Amino acid sequence: EDQVTQSPEALRLQEGESSSLNCSYTVSGLRGLFWYRQDPGKGPEFLFTLYSAGEEKEKERLKATLTKKESFLHITAPKPEDSATYLCAVQATSYDKVIFGPGTSLSVIP
Amino acid sequence: KAGVTQTPRYLIKTRGQQVTLSCSPISGHRSVSWYQQTPGQGLQFLFEYFSETQRNKGNFPGRFSGRQFSNSRSEMNVSTLELGDSALYLCASSLTGAVNTEAFFGQGTRLTVV
Repeated sequence: EDQVTQSPEALRLQEGESSSLNCSYTVSGLRGLFWYRQDPGKGPEFLFTLYSAGEEKEKERLKATLTKKESFLHITAPKPEDSATYLCAVQATSYDKVIFGPGTSLSVIP
Repeated sequence: KAGVTQTPRYLIKTRGQQVTLSCSPISGHRSVSWYQQTPGQGLQFLFEYFSETQRNKGNFPGRFSGRQFSNSRSEMNVSTLELGDSALYLCASSLTGAVNTEAFFGQGTRLTVV
């Protein structure tokens, strides 16, 4: 069965303390992997799309990488405004629907 | 440019009633997808509409239905509401729904069934 898992479930960092979030996926064939950020009471905000193993994308303090079975979202020198839930999602080649992971809740403490 | 607009933002309904939620996509976007978000199940795909046709469907009962109009606005309907239908309902619009097109989410409609 196709599924997406994320770890850790929650992460608490001091401002400036870099870390990584993990997204592991099991799909028959990957069409694309997405990272979103969601703030409380709001809809998810698109961050990145990755298509193939070895691909990397960066945006400000965030860098997303992709292997054949997992993706990492690296956060460098985070700030309190980076606090949010980070969601990973995949779209398989066998169908068009998107499967979301449960998310990682990130708190960055000043 | 204007974002994705969902109405209403909050809704309280009684078990057994039905409800209709609305989503206005970004101008020019033809794909609208609907998701249900709950603390226990996370974000789950309901269905996707493209050019007034349902193109993909998730694993939800037939009580959940939707449609899309010629201006790409979309509605979803839930009939015979159950307590477990309480959730944040999100819609996302994109140009074509293809994997290489960015999806933009609305703020969601918070539905509470009592």
